[in-house]
Amino acid sequence: EGQLVESGGGLMQPGRSLRLSCTGSGFIFGDHGVSWVRQAPGKGLEWVGLIRTAAYGEATDYAASVRDRFTISRDDSKGIAYLQMNGLKTEDTAVYYCTKFWHGYSPDLWGQGTRVLVSS
Amino acid sequence: EIVLTQSPGTLSLSPGETATLSCRASQTVSSTFLAWYQQKTGRAPRLLIYATKTRVIGIPDRFIGSGSGTDFTLTITSVEPEDFAVYYCHQSVTSHPWSFGQGTKLDI
Repeated sequence: EGQLVESGGGLMQPGRSLRLSCTGSGFIFGDHGVSWVRQAPGKGLEWVGLIRTAAYGEATDYAASVRDRFTISRDDSKGIAYLQMNGLKTEDTAVYYCTKFWHGYSPDLWGQGTRVLVSS
Repeated sequence: EIVLTQSPGTLSLSPGETATLSCRASQTVSSTFLAWYQQKTGRAPRLLIYATKTRVIGIPDRFIGSGSGTDFTLTITSVEPEDFAVYYCHQSVTSHPWSFGQGTKLDI
């Protein structure tokens, strides 16, 4: 089934940038899309964005709340996906989960999550 | 944007009872692109059902997904103690931003 491991979370000041990484193993990384989902403390799941496979042109899509600030990319040779977060806001505070999906189906594998705290 | 509205917000039951969780979409969702997740406190969500009614391997058959169009249901027959968690529906309709419902907490 595989495994996803997120890294790069931490405490950041508002306005700063942060890059999260998602490392996949145990499956053919390039055959799967990657999406990021976040969960603010005590809240529900919020979809952040996704990147499709090379077969779909590595097309990306984002939630409106992050569209102009966050960028998702991938390096299939390394089995890693990235979430570049610019202009961080306090409302970006959350656990960020990396997930994988196949074609248009909902994600079937989630990482353990990495915490991002945006505070001055 | 497709908004998913789950009801009820909290469902209080005893073990052995049947849980019925609803997920209503603001516009038609193809059955291929509707899934259900279970999340326990402090853990990542786990996919239970995809394509409206297909159980993931290893998920007990007491979890039953159904529905079409804008109305979808997750039924848990004879709830077990380990089933008490928060459940989310999710849509992945192509050419639409993905979204989750706000969750239903299944409580003892």
